[in-house]
Amino acid sequence: SQQGEEDPQALSIQEGENATMNCSYKTSINNLQWYRQNSGRGLVHLILIRSNEREKHSGRLRVTLDTSKKSSSLLITASRAADTASYFCALKNAGGTSYGKLTFGQGTILTVHP
Amino acid sequence: NAGVTQTPKFRVLKTGQSMTLLCAQDMNHEYMYWYRQDPGMGLRLIHYSVGEGTTAKGEVPDGYNVSRLKKQNFLLGLESAAPSQTSVYFCASSQRGSPTGELFFGEGSRLTVL
Repeated sequence: SQQGEEDPQALSIQEGENATMNCSYKTSINNLQWYRQNSGRGLVHLILIRSNEREKHSGRLRVTLDTSKKSSSLLITASRAADTASYFCALKNAGGTSYGKLTFGQGTILTVHP
Repeated sequence: NAGVTQTPKFRVLKTGQSMTLLCAQDMNHEYMYWYRQDPGMGLRLIHYSVGEGTTAKGEVPDGYNVSRLKKQNFLLGLESAAPSQTSVYFCASSQRGSPTGELFFGEGSRLTVL
């Protein structure tokens, strides 16, 4: 099954800067989701973008999706130290009955320095 | 607000021992999943269930068994633990037909097999 490929693997920025993470994939998707994981904790859903959407916003988050390039990006604006976490893209494949199953990327570790 | 609860949170096993991880959710979700998380590999789906009494194999099912006798509980069993099963295990649940497609995760169970 396909897996999202994320880059960079790690990102270190200063508070107030923007952080951009990218996710690429290989086959058709129904939707793409982004999750956040604080150290030692479970994953928390951030935002979902459907295959027929190009951009979505939620607070300081902006997600884009380019289905022709099979890629998505997550932008966190005006980052804060509390944004330090791992971020994962998750794919819901198109076609068939997926029963909500998601395929996760390997994640981007974001460190925001105060 | 319990959400998804996993027990135990930590466990150390010797090779060949057996154990069961318990996942309980109080959101009346139909779908439940077991993932494992290993460094640099993201999350990989072990088994999933689309309802009480049903289970299905995910991406990496070998060496694991599952049961869903009650809608709110999803058990993951290791019959004969191997060092390769050292990992952090996450249970998740989701609602059938959810518009957000969101998975709700537990806090994880860290398993070490010596």
